[in-house]
Amino acid sequence: DGGITQSPKYLFRKEGQNVTLSCEQNLNHDAMYWYRQDPGQGLRLIYYSQIVNDFQKGDIAEGYSVSREKKESFPLTVTSAQKNPTAFYLCASGRPGLDQPQHFGDGTRLSIL
Amino acid sequence: AQSVTQPDIHITVSEGASLELRCNYSYGATPYLFWYVQSPGQGLQLLLKYFSGDTLVQGIKGFEAEFKRSQSSFNLRKPSVHWSDAAEYFCAVGAGKAAGNKLTFGGGTRVLVKP
Repeated sequence: DGGITQSPKYLFRKEGQNVTLSCEQNLNHDAMYWYRQDPGQGLRLIYYSQIVNDFQKGDIAEGYSVSREKKESFPLTVTSAQKNPTAFYLCASGRPGLDQPQHFGDGTRLSIL
Repeated sequence: AQSVTQPDIHITVSEGASLELRCNYSYGATPYLFWYVQSPGQGLQLLLKYFSGDTLVQGIKGFEAEFKRSQSSFNLRKPSVHWSDAAEYFCAVGAGKAAGNKLTFGGGTRVLVKP
């Protein structure tokens, strides 16, 4: 079945450490997105990529970095510069088109030790 | 800039009763609107979408939504709620391809279903 796989499901970070969240899709979608979800705040866009080797900052990109070397993969690195990284992170992908919905993975919950 | 407001943070409804979730949006052009549902610890699943045509949109799981341009609203409804409908619901507006098809989400409404 086609879908989006996020790993790991749970991740713990020590102070000063960078961690990388994986997102892989086999839907052949051009665009991929990373969102952060905090209770009561909905989803906020971190980064997005419309095509391989290109990506743009979203609304809350500070303290995060991404790469898009392959169409299927869009890893997110939470750097030590992100002072409040505890959150639920969701990856999504979609086709070009104004009416095309985004498809979501099951998320990674990141916590600070 | 576009924005989405879901005025109700929590709603409690009895099983079998009707449900209506409110969504108000702000967007300068024709909006592309979506409703998603999220079960605890899971990703989001698309319920329905609106981008043109009939203002009453049917979705999965017996949900429907009505687009009202004059009120900038896109409320979600279900005539008879099942216990499995307990989840968090998000309304979103799409920015269009030029802006990377970005979605702006509301804060969500958590639905609790009483037996």
